[in-house]
Amino acid sequence: NAGVTQTPKFQVLKTGQSMTLQCAQDMNHEYMSWYRQDPGMGLRLIHYSVGAGITDQGEVPNGYNVSRSTTEDFPLRLLSAAPSQTSVYFCASEGGAPGELFFGEGSRLTVL
Amino acid sequence: LAKTTQPISMDSYEGQEVNITCSHNNIATNDYITWYQQFPSQGPRFIIQGYKTKVTNEVASLFIPADRKSSTLSLPRVSLSDTAVYYCLVPMDTGRRALTFGSGTRLQVQP
Repeated sequence: NAGVTQTPKFQVLKTGQSMTLQCAQDMNHEYMSWYRQDPGMGLRLIHYSVGAGITDQGEVPNGYNVSRSTTEDFPLRLLSAAPSQTSVYFCASEGGAPGELFFGEGSRLTVL
Repeated sequence: LAKTTQPISMDSYEGQEVNITCSHNNIATNDYITWYQQFPSQGPRFIIQGYKTKVTNEVASLFIPADRKSSTLSLPRVSLSDTAVYYCLVPMDTGRRALTFGSGTRLQVQP
């Protein structure tokens, strides 16, 4: 039981490039979400999903797309990377009680 | 939208009890309040969750007053390993499952 798995762990992009951060969970959780954490700051919600085919925006959705075709996977797409998107990205799924989130190890993204 | 406020930092000594409060001014009556701990370079880790009054588990207690406009995480007898950032998590607004973190409280435990 791997929990929440994020890939890649580290990525460097140039401004304007696009990429996808992968997130997979093997706990059959319906709810999944993406957060970003800028250096020395708290976590901000980008997008979330309450099940396959259903996604919604969080606090900072601009510049990011998501889709949820399966229960297991919730990829985050950066459309045209900007230096302001340099951050650590955390994927989480909710299991057990409402609000009990299980986090991946994070993906550290640097945009030059 | 729910707006949360936490103290930026707190200092304590080993063996003391630490209470960290999160103010959340606009959560629905059936919303849960959850607390997380985060160490550097790691994802947040679930500590405790509550809905009303008091909840206790093996590592912490959570106090929620009747008006539910705040919650207090209580860590009994902290140790050096409790040095971390602590976040409250509440729903962002009514009817949505968007969960927003507070700004975090950095706890430093001294020997």
